[in-house]
Amino acid sequence: SQTIHQWPATLVQPVGSPLSLECTVEGTSNPNLYWYRQAAGRGLQLLFYSVGIGQISSEVPQNLSASRPQDRQFILSSKKLLLSDSGFYLCAWSKRVDNYGYTFGSGTRLTVV
Amino acid sequence: GESVGLHLPTLSVQEGDNSIINCAYSNSASDYFIWYKQESGKGPQFIIDIRSNMDKRQGQRVTVLLNKTVKHLSLQIAATQPGDSAVYFCAENEDNAGNMLTFGGGTRLMVKP
Repeated sequence: SQTIHQWPATLVQPVGSPLSLECTVEGTSNPNLYWYRQAAGRGLQLLFYSVGIGQISSEVPQNLSASRPQDRQFILSSKKLLLSDSGFYLCAWSKRVDNYGYTFGSGTRLTVV
Repeated sequence: GESVGLHLPTLSVQEGDNSIINCAYSNSASDYFIWYKQESGKGPQFIIDIRSNMDKRQGQRVTVLLNKTVKHLSLQIAATQPGDSAVYFCAENEDNAGNMLTFGGGTRLMVKP
């Protein structure tokens, strides 16, 4: 069966510090991978998605970047965090076919102080 | 599109009553729909899905209804329990669009004991 792992679960970082959040998927090959951000009490905002190694599409211009160094690894990064980067970050995967739902990770609560 | 900037509407129901959560979609080409449940501090979890060739699909205590004429989707929860308290998101996928889900803004369900 497929599983998705996301870590860390919580993170408190000072303004201006770098960020690296990691997401890995097991039990499948060639998945689509997604990074979402969710502000408190709000909906899901798609940040990045990837259909293959080294292929990243950005949905929102911002202080963040994503990379996919391996087929089942998706990394969300920032060189210098802003207060506005605080939020709940979710990684998700899906099969590379139409009409297949996403499976989400457990999320990372990031607080920038 | 995603309603990420709006506060979540709230539905408050009495334990044991039935709940109905509604979702309107705008893309008439969407042919696959999903409901997700997100508990506090966790990632969204798949509840039930429906394809556009169906009007109704039932799961355990949940029913999804699809009205393509008015582009409306609803999730019915029978005998609502305290454990049903969560945020519920609908999502739609357009056929041949590379499996990119579009999420609704979400509805918070609060179950009163």
